[in-house]
Amino acid sequence: DIKMTQSPSTLSAFVGDRVTITCRASQGISSMLAWYHQKPGRAPKLLIYRASSLESGVPSRFSGSESGTEFTLTISSLQPDDFATYYCQQYNTYPHSFGQGTKLEIK
Amino acid sequence: QVQLVESGGGVVQPGRSLRLSCAASGFTFSTYGIHWVRQAPGKGLEWVAIISHDGSSQHYADSVKGRFTISRDNSKNTLYLQMNSLRAEDTAVYYCARGIYSDYWGQGTLVTVSS
Repeated sequence: DIKMTQSPSTLSAFVGDRVTITCRASQGISSMLAWYHQKPGRAPKLLIYRASSLESGVPSRFSGSESGTEFTLTISSLQPDDFATYYCQQYNTYPHSFGQGTKLEIK
Repeated sequence: QVQLVESGGGVVQPGRSLRLSCAASGFTFSTYGIHWVRQAPGKGLEWVAIISHDGSSQHYADSVKGRFTISRDNSKNTLYLQMNSLRAEDTAVYYCARGIYSDYWGQGTLVTVSS
């Protein structure tokens, strides 16, 4: 099974900051990576698919990139609505494993 | 608009069975693979299972293999998850999600396994 390792587990930042969250796959996943965020009591919401493609309706301050088996989600200027938990997921190989999550908190 | 609505959750004793449903609308259900994803209280997301658009192929997480069965009825635009031999560690909110990278999710249904 492919293990997805996210870092950091928790991130504190100010509104307006640029932040990055990293996800490392234990083996190659051919860019088949998605990023979601989730607010308490709500379903996850898709932000990025295929490592760097922005889902329709998602603000352009979100972007994704990859380098080998390392994937990065960047938020260019944090907005109050962005404070949530972020998850990566690989969908190249079954089981479609998630990272453990990164909780983004207001500083 | 695309909607996925889960139902069937509740409190069940260990070892018993439960069947979840996910009713889909607003898109051509028969052209999409659909997942079940769960989230234990206070924990992260765990992928559970997927079924292909026509129901011919299914894949499961090791944690549920042999106990859970995913199925679908394209004539009713409905996805199912039959859960047998339930354990305390199956307690979670269960979500259905559309497509290979889950662009739409339902609101979830809570399953609590407890004596």
